Amino acid sequence: SYVLTQPPSVSVAPGKTARVTCGGDNIGSKSVHWYQQKPGQAPVLVVYDDSDRPSGIPERFSGSNSGNTATLTISRVEAGDEAAYYCQVWDSSSDHPVFGGGTKLTVL
Amino acid sequence: QVQLQESGPGLVKPSETLSLTCTVSGYSISSGYYWGWIRQPPGKGLEWIGSIYPSGSTYYNPSLKSRVTISVDTSKNQFSLKLNSVTAADTAVYYCARAYYYDSSGYIEYYFDYWGQGTLVTVSS
Repeated sequence: SYVLTQPPSVSVAPGKTARVTCGGDNIGSKSVHWYQQKPGQAPVLVVYDDSDRPSGIPERFSGSNSGNTATLTISRVEAGDEAAYYCQVWDSSSDHPVFGGGTKLTVL
Repeated sequence: QVQLQESGPGLVKPSETLSLTCTVSGYSISSGYYWGWIRQPPGKGLEWIGSIYPSGSTYYNPSLKSRVTISVDTSKNQFSLKLNSVTAADTAVYYCARAYYYDSSGYIEYYFDYWGQGTLVTVSS
């Protein structure tokens, strides 16, 4: 089964840029999606297909994917961005979606 | 606006069957997309359980496959989850979600674009 590795936590000061990584074997060949989950709430899709944003998601959220690492970048971080972020891909070898373990973003 | 709502018992006894239903509004299940269940144990990450297409074709997480059944009722615009022989390890918030799927010559996009609010199911005697 395909494994996605995320750092457990990332901290950033307000107004700065946060980068959340998602590692996987040749992940650059896959379509990567990112979800934001605030405490007590359901996940929300913030980036799909590596770098596309659903309607309503601020431009501050962007994504990239190359080699063995995909990255979610949050620019001009706000207090309201504090949440857990999960990456997700489709595992073609076993035909099912896989989630990373999640990264807790703390806004200092 | 697509909305999903989970319903079902919040407490299930060990060894019994967990049953949940997801009611979809704002979109007809028959129109397409996959429909899935995802769970999240307290304080832990997300785990995909399985998905179903309106035609009834299903696929499940290999780790749960022997205990899971997902079905769809297009007349009620609902799909359901049954997980049998539950243990305390099955205690989690259970989410239903709509899944977008696109296969471009092996490059597969599959993501969950709409989610229910989730329902906590506790397995305890």
